[in-house]
Amino acid sequence: GNSVTQMEGPVTLSEEAFLTINCTYTATGYPSLFWYVQYPGEGLQLLLKATKADDKGSNKGFEATYRKETTSFHLEKGSVQVSDSAVYFCALSDTFGRGAQKLVFGQGTRLTINP
Amino acid sequence: DTGVSQDPRHKITKRGQNVTFRCDPISEHNRLYWYRQTLGQGPEFLTYFQNEAQLEKSRLLSDRFSAERPKGSFSTLEIQRTEQGDSAMYLCASSPIGAGGPYEQYFGPGTRLTVT
Repeated sequence: GNSVTQMEGPVTLSEEAFLTINCTYTATGYPSLFWYVQYPGEGLQLLLKATKADDKGSNKGFEATYRKETTSFHLEKGSVQVSDSAVYFCALSDTFGRGAQKLVFGQGTRLTINP
Repeated sequence: DTGVSQDPRHKITKRGQNVTFRCDPISEHNRLYWYRQTLGQGPEFLTYFQNEAQLEKSRLLSDRFSAERPKGSFSTLEIQRTEQGDSAMYLCASSPIGAGGPYEQYFGPGTRLTVT
């Protein structure tokens, strides 16, 4: 079945450092890819998405490019802030007809940014 | 628009008891999803409704679990004869329906279940 593998955490960085969180996937067909973020005490929020190969999703300074040849969707940010501390989930959409989609998530990567 | 809400936020129950959780989706969203998230893992799909019809169920959803969405608005998830392995965060999400997609799933804050 479809699956997502994320970089093991936790990840700890200093403010203004460069961030990469690796994500690779296994899927049949052409799923859409997502990054969700979970801030402490809050629900999951969509951070960015890409719906086809070579698409780049971006939001709040974060970027990820849908790489079909390497089946990857790595999350990057050039300069992280303390407020980026959260758990990040990579996910793909698994369509089960009628246009509806379930999300298949990776295990999550906890990111802590120190001032 | 107040977002997806879930009630209760926390539930502690003894093994063997029944529990019921409620999810109120965003009002104009026709699709409603339930996921389960155990500690240190990503959410796993349980079931999905389009309006009042339950259209998909995961094999994770044993016969002790039942979900309803009687009027196509709020949904309930019931777990009968709870087991310690049911301890998890239960997440609800909703999304709109229409041509195109994929549509973003909006998640609620979750209900954390602890079975003692």
